[in-house]
Amino acid sequence: NAGVTQTPKFQVLKTGQSMTLQCAQDMNHNSMYWYRQDPGMGLRLIYYSASEGTTDKGEVPNGYNVSRLNKREFSLRLESAAPSQTSVYFCASWDRGWSEAFFGQGTRLTVV
Amino acid sequence: AQTVTQSQPEMSVQEAETVTLSCTYDTSESDYYLFWYKQPPSRQMILVIRQEAYKQQNATENRFSVNFQKAAKSFSLKISDSQLGDAAMYFCAYRRSSNTGKLIFGQGTTLQVKP
Repeated sequence: NAGVTQTPKFQVLKTGQSMTLQCAQDMNHNSMYWYRQDPGMGLRLIYYSASEGTTDKGEVPNGYNVSRLNKREFSLRLESAAPSQTSVYFCASWDRGWSEAFFGQGTRLTVV
Repeated sequence: AQTVTQSQPEMSVQEAETVTLSCTYDTSESDYYLFWYKQPPSRQMILVIRQEAYKQQNATENRFSVNFQKAAKSFSLKISDSQLGDAAMYFCAYRRSSNTGKLIFGQGTTLQVKP
């Protein structure tokens, strides 16, 4: 089982460029999440999808959009990248109840 | 809103010794889950240990154990017999008990293990 797969692992963007971070899980989980990790701030929730066909804002949604393409895939889009979006991005999936969340390996994004 | 605080940005421990990482949280919920995650330089998020709030017994996983003080809203991680491979960033995280997987993370503690 691959678990949660994110692409790409690294990316450098120029200010104003757009890009999409891809995430796919093969565990048949209903819920998927996007977090960003910044020094001294831990991981913060950007957007999540509790089930296929639904998406909701998290703590820091400004500047991002998401698409739950199907049950497996949940993408994060930056329409016009800003230096403040330089961060490490994590995708996660979760089933229910007591189960743990599973994380992808992260994407290090630098906006110059 | 729930918050999680890790007040120790960095800690160090001698190999084979014991170290305790601190975490406090704030919530008005009575039932919830608490977690410790390890993040080595590879960036992978690895679940170390978890605790369900209604369980009074502290969770233990091999060399890792927690001290869960519900009234004080404290959830510390004790690592016994520290190994070089324990060197990593450690995150404390909170999740409500309802049907959500949303996690609230602390700021993280970087643990250095000295040989």
